[in-house]
Amino acid sequence: GIQVEQSPPDLILQEGANSTLRCNFSDSVNNLQWFHQNPWGQLINLFYIPSGTKQNGRLSATTVATERYSLLYISSSQTTDSGVYFCAVGYNTDKLIFGTGTRLQVFP
Amino acid sequence: DADVTQTPRNRITKTGKRIMLECSQTKGHDRMYWYRQDPGLGLRLIYYSFDVKDINKGEISDGYSVSRQAQAKFSLSLESAIPNQTALYFCATSDRSVAAGNEQFFGPGTRLTVL
Repeated sequence: GIQVEQSPPDLILQEGANSTLRCNFSDSVNNLQWFHQNPWGQLINLFYIPSGTKQNGRLSATTVATERYSLLYISSSQTTDSGVYFCAVGYNTDKLIFGTGTRLQVFP
Repeated sequence: DADVTQTPRNRITKTGKRIMLECSQTKGHDRMYWYRQDPGLGLRLIYYSFDVKDINKGEISDGYSVSRQAQAKFSLSLESAIPNQTALYFCATSDRSVAAGNEQFFGPGTRLTVL
């Protein structure tokens, strides 16, 4: 089945720094979503982005489907950005395959 | 009010007990899903349903069963709970329309501990 790899596994930043999270996938996809799991365990939809670029405030995402990767950019990070960021992909079905996540810690 | 709700939010039970986790949604979506998350890992699909009469197994369905009582309700049961079913459980929904692109929306999760 399709494999989803996220990097880096852990990221520690000081408030105000920028970061880039990467998601690589092993096959063609028609669904790609980025989620933020906060420290209370809740999953928050960030982007639905099977291709192209989107921006929402300090966050933006780009998916290059032909090269099988997606990037999540966080600018001017805040302590509330802490948590785990998941990439999940789907292909020809409604099932989402999740990566193992990037754990982000932002310190003041 | 939340679009996708799960009850209970937390549950502690003993080995061998039957447990039901419930999911309700007000998004009007046809498709509903149950996922499980173990510590340090991503989510894995347990069961999914495209409508009331359609139930499908996911990658880790053993030890679980589901019931789609209505378009808005999808329940997950553990017939005889065991400790390795201790996990965070998520319900999700999606719209079947092509325009929606199958984006999935998740509930707040149920933290289940089996002693």
